[in-house]
Amino acid sequence: AQSVTQPDIHITVSEGASLELRCNYSYGATPYLFWYVQSPGQGLQLLLKYFSGDTLVQGIKGFEAEFKRSQSSFNLRKPSVHWSDAAEYFCAVGPKGGYQKVTFGTGTKLQVIP
Amino acid sequence: NAGVTQTPKFRILKIGQSMTLQCAQDMNHNYMYWYRQDPGMGLKLIYYSVGAGITDKGEVPNGYNVSRSTTEDFPLRLELAAPSQTSVYFCASSDRTGKGEYTGELFFGEGSRLTVL
Repeated sequence: AQSVTQPDIHITVSEGASLELRCNYSYGATPYLFWYVQSPGQGLQLLLKYFSGDTLVQGIKGFEAEFKRSQSSFNLRKPSVHWSDAAEYFCAVGPKGGYQKVTFGTGTKLQVIP
Repeated sequence: NAGVTQTPKFRILKIGQSMTLQCAQDMNHNYMYWYRQDPGMGLKLIYYSVGAGITDKGEVPNGYNVSRSTTEDFPLRLELAAPSQTSVYFCASSDRTGKGEYTGELFFGEGSRLTVL
């Protein structure tokens, strides 16, 4: 069965500092991978996705993520965090082919301090 | 485009009451989903549908029912509300790409916060 692990429940960074949020997945083959962001009181918005090809993918709001097959990881990065990036971030994995369910990680809550 | 619309946004129920959470999408997506979100637990799939007239259980279906009579609408019914159903509920939709490939990319509504007392 597929699974997603986000080992960091809560992360605090200073505004302007770099950010890396960790995500590890378990799946029998190369899955589709996603990062979603949820601002307080809002639904989830897609930040970026990896389907195939270049393992470094660019998303919205200056975020990027790198797929590393050997480490079963899909970490999210941003070079310089803005106060508006404070939110909860979810990594998700979806199987290739068919319409099986997408599995979400438990989320990482990002706090940005001045 | 409105995308995925959920109503109501907030609701308080008494134990044993019933209610329906409404979800509508205007993107003509075939696939629709109901998730619940509890603190520290991520999102858990309750039910999903791959098209009108077709529904199936997700990870946590007990206490819920769904129907899909049209492509646009996917209501979630709680028959006998229990405190364990206090949660934030999200409806989502997705579809195949132009090449016919299912990707699992989800489009979410803004959520419905339900409290059962």
